[in-house]
Formats: sequence, C-alpha cells, structure tokens
Amino acid sequence: EADIYQTPRYLVIGTGKKITLECSQTMGHDKMYWYQQDPGMELHLIHYSYGVNSTEKGDLSSESTVSRIRTEHFPLTLESARPSHTSQYLCASIGFPATEAFFGQGTRLTVV
Amino acid sequence: GESVGLHLPTLSVQEGDNSIINCAYSNSASDYFIWYKQESGKGPQFIIDIRSNMDKRQGQRVTVLLNKTVKHLSLQIAATQPGDSAVYFCAEMNSGNTPLVFGKGTRLSVIA
Repeated sequence: EADIYQTPRYLVIGTGKKITLECSQTMGHDKMYWYQQDPGMELHLIHYSYGVNSTEKGDLSSESTVSRIRTEHFPLTLESARPSHTSQYLCASIGFPATEAFFGQGTRLTVV
Repeated sequence: GESVGLHLPTLSVQEGDNSIINCAYSNSASDYFIWYKQESGKGPQFIIDIRSNMDKRQGQRVTVLLNKTVKHLSLQIAATQPGDSAVYFCAEMNSGNTPLVFGKGTRLSVIA
C-alpha cells in the first residue's frame, strides 16, 4: 500500500479562484511529480522535484506553481483557475535508486 | 503535442490469449523503461521495468522487450485475464535528475 496522499479528492470551484492541491508522502522519497490526466487520456507532466528546494517545470507548467520546502510535501497551486483546468491531477513519488513510482488517488478538479 | 486530445488506442483480446502492447519511446538516452497499469478511477501502478542495457526481462505472466535500434518497447501478457483490463502506459526515465515521462497509453479490453 503506497503512503502517498492527495487532498482534496474532489473539488468544484469558480473561475478565477486560487487553489492549492495537496500531496504528501511518508516514504522519504526525494523525487515527486505532478501530472494532469483527462479521463481515458495521457498523463502530462506539470512539475517535478528532486528534493527539498528543487522544482522543475514540465510541459504544462505555465499556469501553476509548486514548492518543496519539506521532503514529504509537494503542493501544486493554480493562481487563477479556468474551465480549461478541469481535469484529474495525480501526484507521484519515487525513492532512489528505484524506478517504481507510487501514485496518490488523485484530485478531480472542476472549474465552473 | 500532437497527441493532445486523442483517445487512447484499444486492444481487445480473448481471455486466455496472450496480449502484446507496444510503445515507441523518444529519448534514446533514457536509462530505464517502465510499464504501468492504470485501472479505472485509480492512479497508475508499476508492473515491470527494464534497464537500457537489457533487451528482455520477465516477470510473473509479463515480459518486456526492448529494441533500442528502433526505439520500441513492448509488454507481453501471458494468458490474459479479465483483471488485466486496464490502460497500460510505458514510461522512461534516467537515473539522474530527469523526469519520469509517460508515453501514449493503450486500453486493453479482455473479452470473457
């Protein structure tokens, strides 16, 4: 059972709101990732981190930010939510030197 | 990218038959290639990985083949079962600080 948690599981918010999606893992993993995935579609990398104080941008990073102040915590912030942000957001972590990524249950976001 | 908005290809197999799922990868410098299984409503789960210096690796009922010449990866599932119905993604990564990148997935449907 993977010890990686995302909150909230479901969120409905209005356009223009600022939101933060939470992701925490208790496995001590250095690498953490955020992906966006529409139902039945591909996973698109948004942001990733290799450890505390390290963050890198993925393909879909332009409208969001992340921080990595603690190893276990990797929150994703949308500064101004838009209907195009409606999707599922998945957080994952990998421990060195492994290749197995553990995923959270996801946050399903709806922007109205 | 060009794949945004496209639904995943589907592979339908009879229960008990062998399944072969293919993936073309992009980065010839990747150290590891990994297969993930994603069931409906869940995050992807690790199945098996293969290092770039190998061409074949076997697990329980699964075999991964790597052809670096044509940048092709395949997952073979023996005696496919209804529980194998899911979306299968290939992914690639390096041992260093590079992201875990997912390829286009394939939806496997097992016909009982």
